[in-house]
Amino acid sequence: NAGVTQTPKFQVLKTGQSMTLQCAQDMNHNSMYWYRQDPGMGLRLIYYSASEGTTDKGEVPNGYNVSRLNKREFSLRLESAAPSQTSVYFCASRLQGPETQYFGPGTRLLVL
Amino acid sequence: GENVEQHPSTLSVQEGDSAVIKCTYSDSASNYFPWYKQELGKRPQLIIDIRSNVGEKKDQRIAVTLNKTAKHFSLHITETQPEDSAVYFCAAERNTNAGKSTFGDGTTLTVKP
Repeated sequence: NAGVTQTPKFQVLKTGQSMTLQCAQDMNHNSMYWYRQDPGMGLRLIYYSASEGTTDKGEVPNGYNVSRLNKREFSLRLESAAPSQTSVYFCASRLQGPETQYFGPGTRLLVL
Repeated sequence: GENVEQHPSTLSVQEGDSAVIKCTYSDSASNYFPWYKQELGKRPQLIIDIRSNVGEKKDQRIAVTLNKTAKHFSLHITETQPEDSAVYFCAAERNTNAGKSTFGDGTTLTVKP
């Protein structure tokens, strides 16, 4: 099992460009999450999907959109990137809350 | 919403000493409290968790205690080793299927050989 995978690993964008971060899990988990991690700060929830077909906002949803494509895949889209979105993005999944979350390897995003 | 505060932000100990990291939470309905370890450049990984129906849980050199009345919980690492050096995050969560965790800001633990 690959667990939780994310693509790309690293991305540089110019202000105003758009991009989609991909996440997939092969553990048959119901719930999936997108977090951002900034230096000196914990993980902040952007969006989550408690089950296939549902998505909800987390703490910091502004500037992002998500799609739960199917049970395995949960993508995060930046429509118009801003320097404030420079961060490390982690996708996570779990069978359902509250249980252990399994994190992907992260995507480092730099917005110039 | 839930607010989780974690202290200290940095902690340096000598190899073999104990380390204690403390977290407080605001939502009295929270009843699941995981701890994650994140090594430099890696993903967070669960090391131990505790639910509100117990006051303490231990796994080898790691233990977590929970005081629901005071709304705080702590991570205890005994006989620290250099490989324990990492950032540790606490989190708090209500018992719902939606499962939104609120994380503390992390503690950078350095174990000096």
